[in-house]
Amino acid sequence: EIVLTQSPGTLSLSPGERATLSCRASQSVSSSYLAWYQQKPGQAPRLLIYGASSRATGIPDRFSGSGSGTDFTLTISRLEPEDFAVYYCQQYGSSPPLFTFGPGTKVDIK
Amino acid sequence: QLQLQESGPGLVKPSETLSLTCTVSGGSISSSSYYWGWIRQPPGKGLEWIGSIYYSGSTYYNPSLKSRVTISVDTSKNQFSLKLSSVTAADTAVYYCARLRGYSYGYRVAFDIWGQGTMVTVSS
Repeated sequence: EIVLTQSPGTLSLSPGERATLSCRASQSVSSSYLAWYQQKPGQAPRLLIYGASSRATGIPDRFSGSGSGTDFTLTISRLEPEDFAVYYCQQYGSSPPLFTFGPGTKVDIK
Repeated sequence: QLQLQESGPGLVKPSETLSLTCTVSGGSISSSSYYWGWIRQPPGKGLEWIGSIYYSGSTYYNPSLKSRVTISVDTSKNQFSLKLSSVTAADTAVYYCARLRGYSYGYRVAFDIWGQGTMVTVSS
């Protein structure tokens, strides 16, 4: 089973700053199978990035994803007030079929 | 646009079976392009995939829950359902249903549309 580790656990930043979130996998992950989600309190997760770097419908271009193999990154170029939330990475492994999520990174206001 | 809505009891007794239904509106559950899934989130914790289903009835379950989980689909009602047996307090969570894109093709796979979630508490 592939285990995802996210760092840092909490990122304290100010609006307008750049956020860089890391997701590391215990084994190589196909880029097609790596996604990022945003979750705000009391809400369902929202898909931000799929295929490691493709933005989902309606997601602003300040969100970008990159990486390959075992190291993936979500970057928010300039934080807006509505971006303070928890971010999860997620991967799919086929043997056996299994979706796993990272523990999340909380981006909070400094 | 496509929407998903979970429904079912909010309180289940230990050792009983948790049953939830996800109703899909604004689109067909029988689309060949998508699978459908259940994901849960215990209070204050992270996300755990429970399982996924295709409109044909083909299913995939999380190995850690496989012995207790059954996911089924009713295309006539545009719904899919979750049954989790022998529940304990550890099964207390918000349960989400979601659409899974890309799985049919093995390309850019992700849960792209989610229901709002339903809280299920296991307690006597």
